[in-house]
Amino acid sequence: AQSVTQLGSHVSVSEGALVLLRCNYSSSVPPYLFWYVQYPNQGLQLLLKYTTGATLVKGINGFEAEFKKSETSFHLTKPSAHMSDAAEYFCAVSGSNTGKLIFGQGTTLQVKP
Amino acid sequence: EAGVAQSPRYKIIEKRQSVAFWCNPISGHATLYWYQQILGQGPKLLIQFQNNGVVDDSQLPKDRFSAERLKGVDSTLKIQPAKLEDSAVYLCASSLVSARGLSYEQYFGPGTRLTVT
Repeated sequence: AQSVTQLGSHVSVSEGALVLLRCNYSSSVPPYLFWYVQYPNQGLQLLLKYTTGATLVKGINGFEAEFKKSETSFHLTKPSAHMSDAAEYFCAVSGSNTGKLIFGQGTTLQVKP
Repeated sequence: EAGVAQSPRYKIIEKRQSVAFWCNPISGHATLYWYQQILGQGPKLLIQFQNNGVVDDSQLPKDRFSAERLKGVDSTLKIQPAKLEDSAVYLCASSLVSARGLSYEQYFGPGTRLTVT
């Protein structure tokens, strides 16, 4: 069985500050891990993914995440927040060969001027 | 490249009525997913197709929900009869499938927002 826990349903940062969104997962098989972003009234857009290989993964819009197996974590970071980063962020895990995604409950990122 | 298309974008119905949603995946994507996203929650998989066969429908409430993917391309998701708790955004996603049967990255459509009154 697989599950995802996103710590903090709301995160607020100032423009230019570090963004840190936390994600912990549970998986009985080697996981594939994803971060998606959702803007209001839009579908989900993939930010980045980890499958195998390098544990530090770089994505679009300056985001990156590090897979830490020992901590079962896949936290999302960005060095400097922009106003345009305000959105809902979802962490997801997939471990089966069907590609089924299990999503966390989401974290709303607010960026203050 | 055209993305995943869904229609309608919004739908308001009364409880006990029926409703249908349509999805057109990215051309060439063999795998199609329907997710339900209730306000304040992450998407939950309802059903997954590979070509026109069902891979996973374990979380589909089969007493009221049905889905089909004729000819392995477009798909429709139907709810009959609708309940208040069906109010949600219904997302369609599609992906390629590798030769080993593993699915690649999922691309999501804009969703259909359903309100049941």
